[in-house]
Amino acid sequence: GAVVSQHPSRVICKSGTSVKIECRSLDFQATTMFWYRQFPKQSLMLMATSNEGSKATYEQGVEKDKFLINHASLTLSTLTVTSAHPEDSSFYICSARENPGTYEQYFGPGTRLTVT
Amino acid sequence: AQSVSQHNHHVILSEAASLELGCNYSYGGTVNLFWYVQYPGQHLQLLLKYFSGDPLVKGIKGFEAEFIKSKFSFNLRKPSVQWSDTAEYFCAVISMDSNYQLIWGAGTKLIIKP
Repeated sequence: GAVVSQHPSRVICKSGTSVKIECRSLDFQATTMFWYRQFPKQSLMLMATSNEGSKATYEQGVEKDKFLINHASLTLSTLTVTSAHPEDSSFYICSARENPGTYEQYFGPGTRLTVT
Repeated sequence: AQSVSQHNHHVILSEAASLELGCNYSYGGTVNLFWYVQYPGQHLQLLLKYFSGDPLVKGIKGFEAEFIKSKFSFNLRKPSVQWSDTAEYFCAVISMDSNYQLIWGAGTKLIIKP
């Protein structure tokens, strides 16, 4: 089956620093990748949708200058949390969709970000 | 705005008990429905999905779900749960209005007592 990896799985950073999270589709080409944020005891919140080679589309309320998304290739998307603050601590999950006409998304294992 | 509601945040059952997790959505048009599962320490996996046809959908590991359009529901069921079913279960919906993006329920944490 389709596999999506994320790196790192856990990261701790100091307030004010930036953190980059990678999302890779390992055995398929992902035309679209999604970035989610999951708060404890809450559902996944879609942050942004990125299509390879074009700018990401951010959901309302998500600061695009703070959460930089780059979908550089059909197998890699990155999320950079810039000038991180403790309130950015969360579980970040990416997913990938192989074809635009399909609905199924394959999920990465998630990245636990802790900002101290 | 569209929404997906899962009725129970926590469910605790004994092994061999029957399971039904509720899921209701708010959109009235054509929808595609999903149940995802997240086992402890693992990533989200697709359990089953409904696009069209038979409203009773069978998924992996003995799970099934029934789409009842008149009730806007897509409840997940399993006749006899096992300890290994301990996980968090998420219902999700895609519709034309959501621009083909998944709208998620809050999840139900299922704990099976051995």
